[in-house]
Amino acid sequence: KAGVTQTPRYLIKTRGQQVTLSCSPISGHRSVSWYQQTPGQGLQFLFEYFSETQRNKGNFPGRFSGRQFSNSRSEMNVSTLELGDSALYLCASSPRHGGTDTQYFGPGTRLTVL
Amino acid sequence: LAKTTQPISMDSYEGQEVNITCSHNNIATNDYITWYQQFPSQGPRFIIQGYKTKVTNEVASLFIPADRKSSTLSLPRVSLSDTAVYYCLVGESGNTGKLIFGQGTTLQVKP
Repeated sequence: KAGVTQTPRYLIKTRGQQVTLSCSPISGHRSVSWYQQTPGQGLQFLFEYFSETQRNKGNFPGRFSGRQFSNSRSEMNVSTLELGDSALYLCASSPRHGGTDTQYFGPGTRLTVL
Repeated sequence: LAKTTQPISMDSYEGQEVNITCSHNNIATNDYITWYQQFPSQGPRFIIQGYKTKVTNEVASLFIPADRKSSTLSLPRVSLSDTAVYYCLVGESGNTGKLIFGQGTTLQVKP
């Protein structure tokens, strides 16, 4: 089975721009969660989508949003980028919704904001 | 709010057993406690999860006391390839669905 894939792997943007990141979960997995990883804050939960609905959300501003499609693929959008948004963005898929059920992580998208 | 605490770093030698403890208060009552391993430039990889007492799989053991305020990941006979960052993951109390990663423990295995 193919693993979780994320595109693009690397991205450079400037302040004020917006960005869309994509995640394709493992086939058959219906839950996709997104995380931000930075050296200072570590791994922080952004949100979880299941069956095209956002089920849980972390403590991030409204500039961070996402969606999930009927094939379980998910996108994450960050608008009005700030320097502090530079991070590794990870998505993880799981067969079931919610909780700390086993998640399978993608390699991440490295976003650099200049 | 749930809060987790892990040692920032640990050193070990090949062949030794390594125990990494994560302290976590106010966690969700109905969630597993899960541990992940992360290598540079990769996403975290699932190691083991448990709810209470002891769980063992082919790579690690996990010890969780009855009060679930901590968990200890045990890696038997580590090798150089076990050098990585190890994270605990818990759910926030109140079963809000929010997930909290520990800050990670960097394990350095020396020959």
